[in-house]
Amino acid sequence: GDSVTQTEGQVALSEEDFLTIHCNYSASGYPALFWYVQYPGEGPQFLFRASRDKEKGSSRGFEATYDKGTTSFHLRKASVQESDSAVYYCALGTGGYKVVFGSGTRLLVSP
Amino acid sequence: EAAVTQSPRNKVTVTGGNVTLSCRQTNSHNYMYWYRQDTGHGLRLIHYSYGAGNLQIGDVPDGYKATRTTQEDFFLLLELASPSQTSLYFCASSDPRDWGGAGQNTLYFGAGTRLSVL
Repeated sequence: GDSVTQTEGQVALSEEDFLTIHCNYSASGYPALFWYVQYPGEGPQFLFRASRDKEKGSSRGFEATYDKGTTSFHLRKASVQESDSAVYYCALGTGGYKVVFGSGTRLLVSP
Repeated sequence: EAAVTQSPRNKVTVTGGNVTLSCRQTNSHNYMYWYRQDTGHGLRLIHYSYGAGNLQIGDVPDGYKATRTTQEDFFLLLELASPSQTSLYFCASSDPRDWGGAGQNTLYFGAGTRLSVL
C-alpha cells in the first residue's frame, strides 16, 4: 500500500542553522504531497503541498520540491528560529479522502 | 479556514468504561475524520464521514464506533475502553471543493483530545 517514510524521529538545531527533514514516499499513480506542522498543544496545520514533478511548495520560509525520480519531498529551511520547534509531518494523497501520514519528525531549535 | 472544535480536551476513564469524544466544525465541510496519534505511528485514520448519517471505516477501526448526526457534528464512541486506546485523538474536516485536483485533500484539524484509559 501507499506509505510515507520520515527517517529522522528528532532533529536538534541551533537558531540560524539550515534545516532538512527527509521524506520519501511509495505510491501507485501520481500522489499529491503535503507538509503539516504541529505546535505543542495544537492539532496539525497544513503548511503547503505540491502535486506534480518538480513543483516547489513553500510557506513561512519552508520549502520542498516534488521529485518523482527519487520519490522524495524533503523539507528545507535556510535559517531556523526557536519558534519553528514543532513536529513536522509529511503526507501523501492519492485520490478522494485518503491521506497517508508519515511518523513525524520533532524539530527542537535552541537559542 | 475551517474551525474545528473538540471536547473534552482531556479525558481519563477506566478499562471497560464508556467514552464519547465530540467534534464540531463550523465551515460547512462535507468530510469529517477521526484520527489517533501515537509516537512512532503518526496519524492513523479511525473513521470518516462524507455527510450527516454517513459513516465509513478507516484503517484502524477496531474498538471504535462513530456517528455523524449533522453536517457539523461527528462523535467517536469507545463502548468498552481498553488501555491500548490511550492516545491523542484528532478530528479533522475537509471539502472536495477545496481539493484542487486528484489527491489534494487538505485537512483542517482540531486541537485534540488526550484520552487515558487506566
